[in-house]
Amino acid sequence: AQSVSQHNHHVILSEAASLELGCNYSYGGTVNLFWYVQYPGQHLQLLLKYFSGDPLVKGIKGFEAEFIKSKFSFNLRKPSVQWSDTAEYFCAVELYNNNDMRFGAGTRLTVKP
Amino acid sequence: DGGITQSPKYLFRKEGQNVTLSCEQNLNHDAMYWYRQDPGQGLRLIYYSQIVNDFQKGDIAEGYSVSREKKESFPLTVTSAQKNPTAFYLCASTAGVGTGELFFGEGSRLTVL
Repeated sequence: AQSVSQHNHHVILSEAASLELGCNYSYGGTVNLFWYVQYPGQHLQLLLKYFSGDPLVKGIKGFEAEFIKSKFSFNLRKPSVQWSDTAEYFCAVELYNNNDMRFGAGTRLTVKP
Repeated sequence: DGGITQSPKYLFRKEGQNVTLSCEQNLNHDAMYWYRQDPGQGLRLIYYSQIVNDFQKGDIAEGYSVSREKKESFPLTVTSAQKNPTAFYLCASTAGVGTGELFFGEGSRLTVL
């Protein structure tokens, strides 16, 4: 079955550590890719998105993600995390020209001060 | 303010009863979605609708039904056929195909006693 996989369920880091969260998808066609974040008690909000062009995309709050087509991956990175980055992070895939938007299981990030 | 309104926020029902969750948006968005969010499973797509009077099943449509009679409204009925209905339900919308960002409502938490 087509799916979106996030390999890390819970990541615990100290402030200033570097972050990389993995995301792989199994859809064969052209896709649009997203990372969403859900801070405690808040709505999901868009962190960044990739449609086409430069495979390295930058989002809000210093986050970036790299699309590697050959690996069907869209990993999220941040060079130095802060306590305020504690949240749940969701990777999402939209099948091209189709509003079908699927999410991964999410990765909970805890940043220790 | 533009946004998505879900109601009720909390709902308790007895087993065997159908229940309808409301979702209204004033963003003039074409596409609307219903997701179910369970701990450790992320957001799973129940149904989505690209235009009025049209909708498609997601991964977990069994036991649910929807309608899209108006652009701004996409109610979800959780029927008695849904085996495990206790969950957090999220409604979302987006402007159209490939336009990117989903906007989410605050969610409805359904508890079946």
